[in-house]
Amino acid sequence: DQQVKQNSPSLSVQEGRISILNCDYTNSMFDYFLWYKKYPAEGPTFLISISSIKDKNEDGRFTVFLNKSAKHLSLHIVPSQPGDSAVYFCAAKEIQGAQKLVFGQGTRLTINP
Amino acid sequence: EPEVTQTPSHQVTQMGQEVILRCVPISNHLYFYWYRQILGQKVEFLVSFYNNEISEKSEIFDDQFSVERPDGSNFTLKIRSTKLEDSAMYFCATTGTGFSEQYFGPGTRLTVT
Repeated sequence: DQQVKQNSPSLSVQEGRISILNCDYTNSMFDYFLWYKKYPAEGPTFLISISSIKDKNEDGRFTVFLNKSAKHLSLHIVPSQPGDSAVYFCAAKEIQGAQKLVFGQGTRLTINP
Repeated sequence: EPEVTQTPSHQVTQMGQEVILRCVPISNHLYFYWYRQILGQKVEFLVSFYNNEISEKSEIFDDQFSVERPDGSNFTLKIRSTKLEDSAMYFCATTGTGFSEQYFGPGTRLTVT
């Protein structure tokens, strides 16, 4: 039951350009969405989040866009830097209940110099 | 910056043995979670814990698993009789309010032989 999907297992972007990572969800009860970054042998690191009452949230080089009608969100990184190379996970949770996170499969982002 | 810590970083055990994975949450956080990631798969929710009791658990979290906060600081995950399929990275996560982002520890790699 893949409630959160990241359809691109990998993405390669040139340094300085924009990286766009996509995520789709099926559960209409999700109303809080997060992006995590993960390096090998480390835990996921929180990057940015967005509530369902918003359609955009920005933090420095990172911007998350939410399209509720399409059940789609995206993470934009601009400009992309070599240190951004990692696996990026989209996650979602319902505001009710214990707020467990449901993760997508991840997208491996590689920034090329 | 406060962080979640986990011990051990790597645990090797024989099938049928008991293991205890330990987590030290961020000090003022009240909600605690365990997730796992089998190699090459997505991060999966196991259990959430609040106010000294389980709030929610997944289908994975069967009778072989238990959690407790024995001394008010550590948060532990016990697997009573490990199976080969329990081999995975186990991540502890904590959050202050339950409505915000979760912060993850570096993980414990469990290898069952």
